[in-house]
Amino acid sequence: RKEVEQDPGPFNVPEGATVAFNCTYSNSASQSFFWYRQDCRKEPKLLMSVYSSGNEDGRFTAQLNRASQYISLLIRDSKLSDSATYLCVVNVLHGSSNTGKLIFGQGTTLQVKP
Amino acid sequence: DTGVSQDPRHKITKRGQNVTFRCDPISEHNRLYWYRQTLGQGPEFLTYFQNEAQLEKSRLLSDRFSAERPKGSFSTLEIQRTEQGDSAMYLCASSLATNFGGLALETQYFGPGTRLLVL
Repeated sequence: RKEVEQDPGPFNVPEGATVAFNCTYSNSASQSFFWYRQDCRKEPKLLMSVYSSGNEDGRFTAQLNRASQYISLLIRDSKLSDSATYLCVVNVLHGSSNTGKLIFGQGTTLQVKP
Repeated sequence: DTGVSQDPRHKITKRGQNVTFRCDPISEHNRLYWYRQTLGQGPEFLTYFQNEAQLEKSRLLSDRFSAERPKGSFSTLEIQRTEQGDSAMYLCASSLATNFGGLALETQYFGPGTRLLVL
């Protein structure tokens, strides 16, 4: 079983739609959670960190459920420019300090169409 | 541009040859990571450095792979006797890890990657 699991999609949605991505992680020692965005043939870029209380950044909302080991990303009012792969990422605590090693999901591909 | 840079951006080599990639992190970042990404997959951790010390290596990193960060600044990743299965995007990331209540907080910033094709 993969440590971080995502539905690879693709999700094809019209402009203006609301779309939600989900992700589950297997290691209960995971401490930090992120969504990264990756455009085709480019490097991943941090979209947002994910906190237990949930957090919002403009049209993007991220939620974390530690009990269920589940992370979500909601995109409202989708734009053509949102088309990309969205990577769910966790950071696992080792010992008394955070090693920084990121564990990536496979990524979920979003295609927003006019 | 003060972001993470990697060189070369693309490398085509024949099986059995050695290749070396370079990563220049964001200035003053104390941590440097190497990841590998194959088509349709997320990046996979290979190794990381805190300053010049290599603190963790993945089991993915066979003995043909070696990484260095001699002065705690740039890093090199060398692959000896390349195999076709080594074809992938090699990504470097850097971060400034700060201690907060015993935990290191950091955000990793990725470079553009080196795309390797082994023929």
